Amino acid sequence: ETGVTQTPRHLVMGMTNKKSLKCEQHLGHNAMYWYKQSAKKPLELMFVYNFKEQTENNSVPSRFSPECPNSSHLFLHLHTLQPEDSALYLCASSQFRDRGFQANEKLFFGSGTQLSVL
Amino acid sequence: KQEVTQIPAALSVPEGENLVLNCSFTDSAIYNLQWFRQDPGKGLTSLLLIQSSQREQTSGRLNASLDKSSGRSTLYIAASQPGDSATYLCASRMDSSYKLIFGSGTRLLVRP
Repeated sequence: ETGVTQTPRHLVMGMTNKKSLKCEQHLGHNAMYWYKQSAKKPLELMFVYNFKEQTENNSVPSRFSPECPNSSHLFLHLHTLQPEDSALYLCASSQFRDRGFQANEKLFFGSGTQLSVL
Repeated sequence: KQEVTQIPAALSVPEGENLVLNCSFTDSAIYNLQWFRQDPGKGLTSLLLIQSSQREQTSGRLNASLDKSSGRSTLYIAASQPGDSATYLCASRMDSSYKLIFGSGTRLLVRP
């Protein structure tokens, strides 16, 4: 148990559906992240929130919409996805401080949501 | 632009063997380098983190080294066990921001 919980673990959706992925961290961290892991590709950073404010949108299509209501919860709202969006979506958190990420600080990942778009 | 490469993509060894996983990066001005383990369909678990000023880190049977001048890091696993079977990923951080550049991973199988 890493302290980062993601639900659901698996999700199958049609291209016209709307669904949401949820992430919750119990580590007292103030930065949360969404990563995408596609088959045979390196992990890609999608979004970053520091202190509930979005600080990074890594050219992600608008059919992915993040929401961070507080520093412990992060959502990824999905709508009109494409089959190529099928992937493992990973949430992570860290103790990010105003002056930057300390050299010895680590990311803590959840177990991910395996998404299949039909 | 930093690129991180891991070779081989897959490795199969008999139980008990010592092994080395390789990670190379193109820009030596890294802030730190991290090794992660990922089990099938699961998230990542941080194994070792080496800061730019360090040469190596050890945890149990694992030892990670960093050579910035050659753009290489290695993860040494001693006396491998079937439970070590997983994908191992390395990631470099270039500055004090949150961005990690990941390699594609090495999928390790330790045969009983």
